[in-house]
Amino acid sequence: SQQGEEDPQALSIQEGENATMNCSYKTSINNLQWYRQNSGRGLVHLILIRSNEREKHSGRLRVTLDTSKKSSSLLITASRAADTASYFCATDAWSNTGKLIFGQGTTLQVKP
Amino acid sequence: EAQVTQNPRYLITVTGKKLTVTCSQNMNHEYMSWYRQDPGLGLRQIYYSMNVEVTDKGDVPEGYKVSRKEKRNFPLILESPSPNQTSLYFCASSLQAGNEQFFGPGTRLTVL
Repeated sequence: SQQGEEDPQALSIQEGENATMNCSYKTSINNLQWYRQNSGRGLVHLILIRSNEREKHSGRLRVTLDTSKKSSSLLITASRAADTASYFCATDAWSNTGKLIFGQGTTLQVKP
Repeated sequence: EAQVTQNPRYLITVTGKKLTVTCSQNMNHEYMSWYRQDPGLGLRQIYYSMNVEVTDKGDVPEGYKVSRKEKRNFPLILESPSPNQTSLYFCASSLQAGNEQFFGPGTRLTVL
């Protein structure tokens, strides 16, 4: 079952601009995670935000979580061509199984 | 280097020919999982393991088997592959269920 829905599906920006991606989900969560995937390669974990947290930073990344709206956003500031990738949110529900339910992802293209 | 390895990375096989995709992690993680990634369907969990000798079904377990005899290894077995199992497969591990997951590089499987 699809938990996360991401918006937009695709985003194209110029180097130096900020990129914002949104994720909505349906059920209560333990935490929400963001991953990056370069074309056809493995996923790389970016950031994990727990249900009792509202905002988290990691370098040029800023993630917010609004559990009342069941939504999260990922902001990449001062984007670089190397940020070109697909970005996925994944939710860990209170299931004790560790299962992550992934959204369909946002494809980000950063033009040099 | 801390990592999750998968082998083979690419495999073309024929319907009905049993195959095994190996997965190994060197981080002493308790939790391991298999996902498949398909266009339009995203990443879906096949099986997971909370610890040695403890495995359970994910969302799409049909046609797959797993085992967890040692902490570091979590092979995925396709007893009788079919064309609908053509996909990109990822193994992942985490310290415990609910933590960030580390993904392998992926195995691209084609079943003719």
